[in-house]
Amino acid sequence: DGGITQSPKYLFRKEGQNVTLSCEQNLNHDAMYWYRQDPGQGLRLIYYSQIVNDFQKGDIAEGYSVSREKKESFPLTVTSAQKNPTAFYLCASSIPALNTEAFFGQGTRLTVV
Amino acid sequence: QKEVEQNSGPLSVPEGAIASLNCTYSDRVSQSFFWYRQYSGKSPELIMSIYSNGDKEDGRFTAQLNKASQYVSLLIRDSQPSDSATYLCAVNRDATNKLIFGTGTLLAVQP
Repeated sequence: DGGITQSPKYLFRKEGQNVTLSCEQNLNHDAMYWYRQDPGQGLRLIYYSQIVNDFQKGDIAEGYSVSREKKESFPLTVTSAQKNPTAFYLCASSIPALNTEAFFGQGTRLTVV
Repeated sequence: QKEVEQNSGPLSVPEGAIASLNCTYSDRVSQSFFWYRQYSGKSPELIMSIYSNGDKEDGRFTAQLNKASQYVSLLIRDSQPSDSATYLCAVNRDATNKLIFGTGTLLAVQP
């Protein structure tokens, strides 16, 4: 089945630790995105990538890092510099052209303990 | 001013009624508009997309776009309890397909 797979579904992080969220897609999409959602809020863009080995900061990139070494994969690292990382993280992919929708993975819920 | 604005709700409608969800956006060059449905704890799923002025119908859903007024809406006819969810409006300004989302409207359909 084609789709986007995020793992893990739930993740707990201790203060001061870096953690990496996985996102893999087999839709052959060039573009991939990471969004953050806080309770009762919409989605805010963290990073996006239009092509392999290239990525751009979104609106709230501070404290996060990404890589795009393969078309299928776009991992997100939440660093210790991110002061309030508890949130629901969503990965999406799309064909990077106008008038195309983004497809989402099932999300990772990160909690700082 | 937020780029994409929605009333957070909750919007409560009785089963069988028409639910009307509204969204305004600030950037006049916006090209593509999407409505996503998100159940609690789940990821968003696409309901409708619309690109030109006017109405677009798909089953019980109708999207309406008015670029002059920078306004997009979603009508849900014959609302069902299973339609109870948060509806997110998203706008795409350019070919990067960088979607800008509103905060969502919580819809509650009362049996």
